[in-house]
Amino acid sequence: SQQGEEDPQALSIQEGENATMNCSYKTSINNLQWYRQNSGRGLVHLILIRSNEREKHSGRLRVTLDTSKKSSSLLITASRAADTASYFCATDAKGGGFKTIFGAGTRLFVKA
Amino acid sequence: DGGITQSPKYLFRKEGQNVTLSCEQNLNHDAMYWYRQDPGQGLRLIYYSQIVNDFQKGDIAEGYSVSREKKESFPLTVTSAQKNPTAFYLCASNPGQGVGQPQHFGDGTRLSIL
Repeated sequence: SQQGEEDPQALSIQEGENATMNCSYKTSINNLQWYRQNSGRGLVHLILIRSNEREKHSGRLRVTLDTSKKSSSLLITASRAADTASYFCATDAKGGGFKTIFGAGTRLFVKA
Repeated sequence: DGGITQSPKYLFRKEGQNVTLSCEQNLNHDAMYWYRQDPGQGLRLIYYSQIVNDFQKGDIAEGYSVSREKKESFPLTVTSAQKNPTAFYLCASNPGQGVGQPQHFGDGTRLSIL
């Protein structure tokens, strides 16, 4: 079963706007990661946030984690057409060994 | 440049045929993974290996087999027992030291049925 579930499934915005994607998960985690996938390509790691962290930044990316609500959000500020991709959250459940579980992803389309 | 190479990019399988997908990494990573991705869905773990000569089943191992004879190589065989093999297959690796390390991915192999 999926540990992480992203919301919305798809998002279409204009270039320059901010994009927010949400992820919910079911069990206690060690950390949560966000990945990006361009069409027909592999996933690229964007950012990792540990269970004892609440917010993390990397360039135009901002990730928050609320372990009490078992949820995370990814904010992409000042979006560009090149940000068009699918974005996945991935979790490593406590006691889950070396398995990382990926959600179904949010498809982001940024219109130029 | 270090990375993961998957080949071929596209593969076609006939009924009753076994096919093997190649995955090679030059990142000196201990851990390697195989995932299956169906349209509009997330990744599902097929097999993973933490060390040479050892591997474990993931969530959907039925109809698949793997080997890990060398650190840099983790081939996946899709057997004739896998009745619905059409999917995008992704190989990944990470250093394997501790849980939750970011994974590096190859660019995938798209498998279709003839």
